[in-house]
This record gives sequence, structure tokens and C-alpha cells, in this order.
Amino acid sequence: DVKVTQSSRYLVKRTGEKVFLECVQDMDHENMFWYRQDPGLGLRLIYFSYDVKMKEKGDIPEGYSVSREKKERFSLILESASTNQTSMYLCASSSSGTSVRNEQFFGPGTRLTVL
Amino acid sequence: LAKTTQPISMDSYEGQEVNITCSHNNIATNDYITWYQQFPSQGPRFIIQGYKTKVTNEVASLFIPADRKSSTLSLPRVSLSDTAVYYCLVAVNAGGTSYGKLTFGQGTILTVHP
Repeated sequence: DVKVTQSSRYLVKRTGEKVFLECVQDMDHENMFWYRQDPGLGLRLIYFSYDVKMKEKGDIPEGYSVSREKKERFSLILESASTNQTSMYLCASSSSGTSVRNEQFFGPGTRLTVL
Repeated sequence: LAKTTQPISMDSYEGQEVNITCSHNNIATNDYITWYQQFPSQGPRFIIQGYKTKVTNEVASLFIPADRKSSTLSLPRVSLSDTAVYYCLVAVNAGGTSYGKLTFGQGTILTVHP
């Protein structure tokens, strides 16, 4: 069974802290994604990686960075967390290519609260 | 600005057919339309995709008009377990290429009542 796992389901951090969200997939997928999910706004793409050490900015990259040192792992980094980054964060992976046809497999999400 | 829009919420009763429409007026020419379903405390999961006309699987049907500027997800005879958020995913034109930028709609919260 295909699987995308995220390191934490719930996380509480303080303003100004550096936050790491980890995502691991076991499907040998080339593409990995980080999304932010907020009520009424749907899924917004933060960053996308199509290969190891490769990344592209999504719609809302400000305040975030990413790291992909190994094919199976994609990390989202909040350099200095702020309260407006309180949200649900979802990781996904898919096979290579930028087509909608490539099914995205999602992790269960990390609900981050920044106090 | 191209947008992918869906109704924010819908209500239905068990046994009814539910139709959720997504408007995507700047869809990329050569790409498909996909719908995802998300239950509480889970990530979204793929349910159906199509390019034109009608596609049906064991879960849903997808209707796509000839101009492809919208698509309608149809859930036949819904049950309480169909209560979820439904997202459309399309590629919107970006930079004049045939394949565009992947964009999710805002999601439609479907609530099925007994």
C-alpha cells in the first residue's frame, strides 16, 4: 500500500522558532509537494520538488523554505514561525511530470499552531 | 486572473444525487481534470479524472462540456459516509505552454443528512 507519512500530526510552536516539517514517501516518486490548507482557501501550493535537490516556488512561498536531499524525503522549513503560519500542512507525492493526470498521494497532514 | 472556483458548501440527504461544479475558465489545453475527496483528519485522495465528455467509475461520474471551462462531479445516491470536502484540480494556462500550473479549487464541503 502506497504511503506518504508526515513526522507530526500536531505541532505547537512559539513565534520566532525555527520549525521543521518532514515528509517521507515510499513510492519512489520523483515529485513531492507541500501545501497549506486553510478554511475557504482550499489547498495552496507552497513549494514543489521534481527531483533531488531541485525545487520550485509555488503560490505562497514567502516565509518558507524546503530541502530535498534524498528522493524519498521532503522537508518544509519555517525559518522564523509567525502566528499567520498557523495552519494545516499537507505533503503529497506523484510520479514525474507536471500533468494533472499524475495522481497525487497525500499524507495525513500536520496541524501547526504558532503561539 | 484565472481562477478555479467551486461552491463553498452543499447539503444533501441520503439517497439523493449530488452534483458539484467547478469553474476553470483558463484551463490548459492538453491536460485533464481531476477530483479529490478529503475526509476529516485525512489527506485528500483521488476519486476521478477526465479530459472531455463523461467519465464514470465505481465512485462517481464526471461531466465535462465541450469548452472544458467547467466540470461537474456527480455522486449518485449519497450516503452519510460521502460527507467530505471535494476538490477539483486543473492545470491553468501559464506562460503560453500547453501544460499549465496545477491549481486546486477552494473545495466544497458536502454534508449528507440522514
